[in-house]
Amino acid sequence: EDKVVQSPLSLVVHEGDTVTLNCSYEVTNFRSLLWYKQEKKAPTFLFMLTSSGIEKKSGRLSSILDKKELFSILNITATQTGDSAIYLCAVEAWSGGSNYKLTFGKGTLLTVNP
Amino acid sequence: DVKVTQSSRYLVKRTGEKVFLECVQDMDHENMFWYRQDPGLGLRLIYFSYDVKMKEKGDIPEGYSVSREKKERFSLILESASTNQTSMYLCASSWTGVSYEQYFGPGTRLTVT
Repeated sequence: EDKVVQSPLSLVVHEGDTVTLNCSYEVTNFRSLLWYKQEKKAPTFLFMLTSSGIEKKSGRLSSILDKKELFSILNITATQTGDSAIYLCAVEAWSGGSNYKLTFGKGTLLTVNP
Repeated sequence: DVKVTQSSRYLVKRTGEKVFLECVQDMDHENMFWYRQDPGLGLRLIYFSYDVKMKEKGDIPEGYSVSREKKERFSLILESASTNQTSMYLCASSWTGVSYEQYFGPGTRLTVT
């Protein structure tokens, strides 16, 4: 059974702090690892990582994958109150034919206080 | 803009009732997914479909069934609702082979009393 574990489950920081969110996985037929941000409604896609050691960056957010150690981190620098959300890690795995499915972690609830 | 809509935002049903949750997408996506989201448990895949009339069990299919008679519509059915099915239900869709870029609906908060 595919497994995705995120840590910490929740985190409270002050504006301006830098945070690191962790995601480890055990998956058969791995294709990619994804990060999503979920505010009040549905998750929105942040990053897709397929190769080890290559950092993906978008503004103050960055992420990297280690396929040997089976984990990824999501960094947020100079946090703002608008970064408060649940951050979800998911692993995409082959499920037969040309089809793939996602397995999500439980998420990390990030609260950024002013 | 991709649009994924769900039939209800909030729903209250009684134990034993049959419940239909509808999801419609307007981007001609082949793939459609049903998840439930519970505090402390994250998003869990219930069922998914890669084509019309095709369905695959996800990680927690027990107590649920699905129907996909048309490409744009994917229904989740609770044959006999139980209190442990109280949850937020999220529908998503994507193109074939691009399951990572799933577009999610707004969710249906189902309460079973």
